[in-house]
Amino acid sequence: DVKVTQSSRYLVKRTGEKVFLECVQDMDHENMFWYRQDPGLGLRLIYFSYDVKMKEKGDIPEGYSVSREKKERFSLILESASTNQTSMYLCASSSSGTGQHEQYFGPGTRLTVT
Amino acid sequence: QQQVKQSPQSLIVQKGGISIINCAYENTAFDYFPWYQQFPGKGPALLIAIRPDVSEKKEGRFTISFNKSAKQFSLHIMDSQPGDSATYFCAANRSYNTDKLIFGTGTRLQVFP
Repeated sequence: DVKVTQSSRYLVKRTGEKVFLECVQDMDHENMFWYRQDPGLGLRLIYFSYDVKMKEKGDIPEGYSVSREKKERFSLILESASTNQTSMYLCASSSSGTGQHEQYFGPGTRLTVT
Repeated sequence: QQQVKQSPQSLIVQKGGISIINCAYENTAFDYFPWYQQFPGKGPALLIAIRPDVSEKKEGRFTISFNKSAKQFSLHIMDSQPGDSATYFCAANRSYNTDKLIFGTGTRLQVFP
């Protein structure tokens, strides 16, 4: 059974803290994604990685950075958390094979910044 | 040109009824249109997908209708059940040169007994 796991389901952090969200996939997928989900705004892409150490900005990268040192792991970093980063964060992975576009999502991390 | 517009934002349907969710896009280079289903507390999961070489795709009670000239596609859920209550996202991408999906804003479907 394919699996994408995220390190925490719920996280509460203070303004200004550095926050790490971890994502691990066991499907040997080349692509990994970080989204944030907010009511009425859908899923917005923060960053995308198509290979180890490779990354590409998504639609809303400001205030975030990412790290992909191993194929199976993709980390999202909030350098200095702010209240407007309170959200649900979803990680996903997909294969880059021809015709293979299905993204597999983790259960999400609900982050609250106070 | 990169947006996918989804409506309605929320939908209430009685058990046994038909649920219809609509999406529209601008970029004619899009060639892959999936729908994702998300239950509370879970991540989204692929439900059904279509490519523009067909006008309809059916899987069980779920059907995608695709209108290339109008740049619209819709999800129809026949005989809606309370277990279908979830948030549905349409998406699109240009599959020949990117693996990124552009998602719609989501529709929260509630099916009442």
